[in-house]
Amino acid sequence: KNEVEQSPQNLTAQEGEFITINCSYSVGISALHWLQQHPGGGIVSLFMLSSGKKKHGRLIATINIQEKHSSLHITASHPRDSAVYICAVRTTGGSQGNLIFGKGTKLSVKP
Amino acid sequence: NAGVTQTPKFRILKIGQSMTLQCTQDMNHNYMYWYRQDPGMGLKLIYYSVGAGITDKGEVPNGYNVSRSTTEDFPLRLELAAPSQTSVYFCASSYLGQRDSPLHFGNGTRLTVT
Repeated sequence: KNEVEQSPQNLTAQEGEFITINCSYSVGISALHWLQQHPGGGIVSLFMLSSGKKKHGRLIATINIQEKHSSLHITASHPRDSAVYICAVRTTGGSQGNLIFGKGTKLSVKP
Repeated sequence: NAGVTQTPKFRILKIGQSMTLQCTQDMNHNYMYWYRQDPGMGLKLIYYSVGAGITDKGEVPNGYNVSRSTTEDFPLRLELAAPSQTSVYFCASSYLGQRDSPLHFGNGTRLTVT
């Protein structure tokens, strides 16, 4: 079982829809990252959070430490939101640079 | 600030050739990472560094070497390139300490070995 699981793997939405991407993890963490990778390949950091909720524009990220679960929400989705969204956790122990990545959720927003 | 600068953007190598992927950051981050991403797959850690002079292997280190002589630079060396090393390579950095920073990625290097 992967230590970081994302769902769904693929998601197609119509423009304007509310989108939720989920991330569950099974290890102790100090922080969780949401990343966005556009078709061109570049990766940008959207959020880093260790508790509660953060909002940036139409994007909202939440985390429930007790349930080991985080969600990324996109309100009023737009075709430019089409990308792969990656969840990554910074573990509280171990090696491997302490980061574990999910496999990503590929989002396609149709006009 | 330039952030994380990674060069080159593209490279084609013949089997057996060597090359160095350059990565530099100007944010005084202590942690630096090299990842590879194969088509349709997630990021795999090659090597990482927690500070100047300190490096450690990741999940897929074979065929690669790194050095971290300064805080800013973290080059990745490919010796004797093989077709299995065809991939997109990303350098990343972050600060871990009293106040952790988000991850910053370079724009990637698309490497083809033929």
